[in-house]
Amino acid sequence: DGGITQSPKYLFRKEGQNVTLSCEQNLNHDAMYWYRQDPGQGLRLIYYSQIVNDFQKGDIAEGYSVSREKKESFPLTVTSAQKNPTAFYLCASSILHTGPAYEQYFGPGTRLTVT
Amino acid sequence: AQSVTQLDSHVSVSEGTPVLLRCNYSSSYSPSLFWYVQHPNKGLQLLLKYTSAATLVKGINGFEAEFKKSETSFHLTKPSAHMSDAAEYFCVVSEKGSKGSARQLTFGSGTQLTVLP
Repeated sequence: DGGITQSPKYLFRKEGQNVTLSCEQNLNHDAMYWYRQDPGQGLRLIYYSQIVNDFQKGDIAEGYSVSREKKESFPLTVTSAQKNPTAFYLCASSILHTGPAYEQYFGPGTRLTVT
Repeated sequence: AQSVTQLDSHVSVSEGTPVLLRCNYSSSYSPSLFWYVQHPNKGLQLLLKYTSAATLVKGINGFEAEFKKSETSFHLTKPSAHMSDAAEYFCVVSEKGSKGSARQLTFGSGTQLTVLP
């Protein structure tokens, strides 16, 4: 089955530690995205990537880093510089646009709790 | 700049009655619009999308939405609610962007739908 996998589902870390969230897709999509979701709010874009070895900051990139070494993988690192890292993190992918907008496909998410 | 406003943060209906989730958008050009659904602790699933073809868009699970340019609205409806429809719903607008590029989405803040037995 094609889709997006995120692991782990739940992640607990101590304050001051960096943590890396995994995102893998087998949809052969060129574009991948990371979002953060907080209660009562919509999703906010952290980073996105259109091609291997290239990525762009979204609206809330501070305290986060990403890499795109393979088309299928787009890991997100939450660094100790992120002031409020506890949130639900969602990874998505899409084809690149040649005309009308295409939808993004979402993974199941990782809930990160930092104490 | 584009924006999305979901007019109700919570909607409660009885099973078997109609559902109406309201969404207004702001965009300087003809937008692409989506509705996604999210069940607790899950990812988002696409319900339907509007991309300037038919203004009445049919989606999965009996949902549909009508694009009204004059009202800048894209409300989501379903004739008869089912218990399994209880979830959070997001209205989303896509920037126009350029060909061959990734598109950034702007999300509304969500509407929590409760279905009462």
